[in-house]
Formats: sequence, C-alpha cells, structure tokens
Amino acid sequence: GAVVSQHPSWVICKSGTSVKIECRSLDFQATTMFWYRQFPKQSLMLMATSNEGSKATYEQGVEKDKFLINHASLTLSTLTVTSAHPEDSSFYICSARPSEGEQFFGPGTRLTVL
Amino acid sequence: GNSVTQMEGPVTLSEEAFLTINCTYTATGYPSLFWYVQYPGEGLQLLLKATKADDKGSNKGFEATYRKETTSFHLEKGSVQVSDSAVYFCALGTSYGKLTFGQGTILTVHP
Repeated sequence: GAVVSQHPSWVICKSGTSVKIECRSLDFQATTMFWYRQFPKQSLMLMATSNEGSKATYEQGVEKDKFLINHASLTLSTLTVTSAHPEDSSFYICSARPSEGEQFFGPGTRLTVL
Repeated sequence: GNSVTQMEGPVTLSEEAFLTINCTYTATGYPSLFWYVQYPGEGLQLLLKATKADDKGSNKGFEATYRKETTSFHLEKGSVQVSDSAVYFCALGTSYGKLTFGQGTILTVHP
C-alpha cells in the first residue's frame, strides 16, 4: 500500500526557535498534501492544503506566516513552525493524495515547545 | 459549514461483543463519508467509505451505511477482537479532498 513518512517523529525545541517537519510519499506521487494538527483527545484540524509547485491554501484562523508550508516536489512537503511558542505544542499530521482518490496519512510528529 | 459529531468514548468491550460507534454529520452538498482507524503508534488508515446515500461501506467485518435522512454513518461490527483496539475517526470529505473529522473514539477490547 501507499506509504507516507514524517520526520522527525518527535521534536523538542526552545521557545522562539523554528522547527521543520518533513512529509514524504514514499511510493507514489502526491499532487496534494494536507497538514493537520491534533490536540490531545481532540479531532484532527486541517491547517492547510498544499499543491505541488503552488502556494498553500490555509484554513481560516491559521497564520500562514507562522506555519510555512513548502511543496517543492511531488513526494515532499515541509511544514516549518516559525518562532515556536509553548501553545504551538501539538501533534502534527500530514497526508498525501495522488491526483484523485484516497488520502494516505503519515504517522505524525509530536512537537513540544519549552 | 461541515461538521462531524462522534460518540464520545472511551468504549470498552469484551472480545466478541457487538460494537456501535455513532456518527452524525452536517454538510452542504453531497459529501463522501469515511471511517478511519488509528492503531497505537501508527498513522490513520482508511477503514471504509461510502460515497452516496444508502451506500454501505464494509471492511474487516466493520460496516457503516450512509443515511441521508438521519445524516448518520454509524460504525458497527458484530464481534470485536482484541486487535480492533484503536482510535476510530468518522470523517466527511468533499470532492476537493478536504476532510472534516469527528473527535475520535477510543476503543479498548479485553480478552
């Protein structure tokens, strides 16, 4: 089946630093990638939709200057949390989708900001 | 806007018990409906889906029927196993690929 990886699986950083999370589709080309955020015991909230070679589309209430998304190739998207603060601590999940059909999810990245 | 409301958990069952996890939705248009499962330490996996009213999705003994009249997509399994212990998410999808998730239900099955 289709595999999506995320790196790192967990990261701890100091307040004010930036953190980059990678999302890769390992065995298919992803026209679209999605980034979600999940708080403990809560649902996944879509942050943004990323199409290869174009700017990401952010959901209402998501700061695009804080959560920088790059989708430079059909197998890689990155999410950079800039100037991270403790309230940014969360579980970040990506998914990747071929031209149509099912989304395939990565295992997630746990971010803790001290 | 679109929203999904899921039965709150956690749900604890004995092996071979009957499972129902309720899911209702609010949507504009004609969305597709999904159940995803997340096993410990793994990413979400699609369990089953239905793309139009009265469709029944099924997989691994799980079933759910797209009921437009009651805006529901309840997940059922006749006899659960310990290996079914996981978090289950109901989701609604648009043609553009956007998914709206319910809050998730933790299922624990004891031997």
